[in-house]
Amino acid sequence: GAVVSQHPSRVICKSGTSVKIECRSLDFQATTMFWYRQFPKQSLMLMATSNEGSKATYEQGVEKDKFLINHASLTLSTLTVTSAHPEDSSFYICSARPGTGNQETQYFGPGTRLLVL
Amino acid sequence: GQQLNQSPQSMFIQEGEDVSMNCTSSSIFNTWLWYKQEPGEGPVLLIALYKAGELTSNGRLTAQFGITRKDSFLNISASIPSDVGIYFCAGQRTSYDKVIFGPGTSLSVIP
Repeated sequence: GAVVSQHPSRVICKSGTSVKIECRSLDFQATTMFWYRQFPKQSLMLMATSNEGSKATYEQGVEKDKFLINHASLTLSTLTVTSAHPEDSSFYICSARPGTGNQETQYFGPGTRLLVL
Repeated sequence: GQQLNQSPQSMFIQEGEDVSMNCTSSSIFNTWLWYKQEPGEGPVLLIALYKAGELTSNGRLTAQFGITRKDSFLNISASIPSDVGIYFCAGQRTSYDKVIFGPGTSLSVIP
């Protein structure tokens, strides 16, 4: 099946720094990628939808200036958490949807654990 | 906004038992999805349902798309220890719409 990778798998940073998380579709081209955030013992909450070559669409309550998303190619989307604070500590998961075939299918990455000290 | 509810919230069962979990929605979805998530990993798609009334199996898993389009269930037969994890239902209004996740059902299997 289709494979989506994320890098890094976990990151620890100091408060106030910025962290970049990469999401790559390894064996297919993804016209659309999604970024989710999951707090402990909670469900996945969609943060934003990114389409290759265009601006991301953010969900209500998600600060676009804090969570910068770049979908520069059909196989790579990045999420940058700017000026991270302890409350940004979470599990960030991306998913990618192929441009052809079964349009409903999203393939999820393994997630990135962010801890802000 | 759209909201999904899952029941039960958690389950503790003996190995070999069958499992049934349910998902309901306050609004209609045209696609229902069931995912499993293990600790520290991303969710993995188990079953996708695209038509009301559809019953689909994947090994020991069976899921159905409710006729009202507002509910779905997932059954696991003859549970084994590796079935442990959190099972999320998810819905989409249209094929290109975002996926809305339910709160999850945590499954524990006692050997």
